[in-house]
Amino acid sequence: AQKITQTQPGMFVQEKEAVTLDCTYDTSDQSYGLFWYKQPSSGEMIFLIYQGSYDEQNATEGRYSLNFQKARKSANLVISASQLGDSAMYFCARGPYNQGGKLIFGQGTELSVKP
Amino acid sequence: DVKVTQSSRYLVKRTGEKVFLECVQDMDHENMFWYRQDPGLGLRLIYFSYDVKMKEKGDIPEGYSVSREKKERFSLILESASTNQTSMYLCASSGTGPNQPQHFGDGTRLSIL
Repeated sequence: AQKITQTQPGMFVQEKEAVTLDCTYDTSDQSYGLFWYKQPSSGEMIFLIYQGSYDEQNATEGRYSLNFQKARKSANLVISASQLGDSAMYFCARGPYNQGGKLIFGQGTELSVKP
Repeated sequence: DVKVTQSSRYLVKRTGEKVFLECVQDMDHENMFWYRQDPGLGLRLIYFSYDVKMKEKGDIPEGYSVSREKKERFSLILESASTNQTSMYLCASSGTGPNQPQHFGDGTRLSIL
């Protein structure tokens, strides 16, 4: 089965520091998309960032960037200048390049930002 | 902004009951999805739909059915609820094309007693 692996169940980071959340994926497809979502304790899933398999540049959205290494099948999320409000569960997911199909999610990483 | 609305935030039902979870989206999205989320297991896809009256099984469809009679509405049905269906249920919708993320509702925390 094609799988998403997030090896860090929980992480701590000091406020204002950068943090990297790891994600590796298993696929034989050439065309796919990678997504990161944030889930605060309130439960809603918030879309953060997308990377297409054909995109040569790493995706960035504000303080979020995606370190995409296609040969290694990794798509790590980098959060710069962490804020207390960044404390949440973070999920990596893989789906079709043309989004419309199902996403396969990793098990998530719980990030805690310390003041 | 995309709005995906799930009918209940919390729901308590009894074993054997027929349970309906409703989801409505306001962005004319073709695709809709139902997931369940359990600690340590992440999100698992139950059913999804690419169009009205169309449905496809996800990874864990057993014990569930769905209905999509209108484009904006996607219902999840537990035909005869069991305690192992106690979980958080999340509905999502998306458009088609590259970089079309799934947008999620707030979730329904369902307890089956």
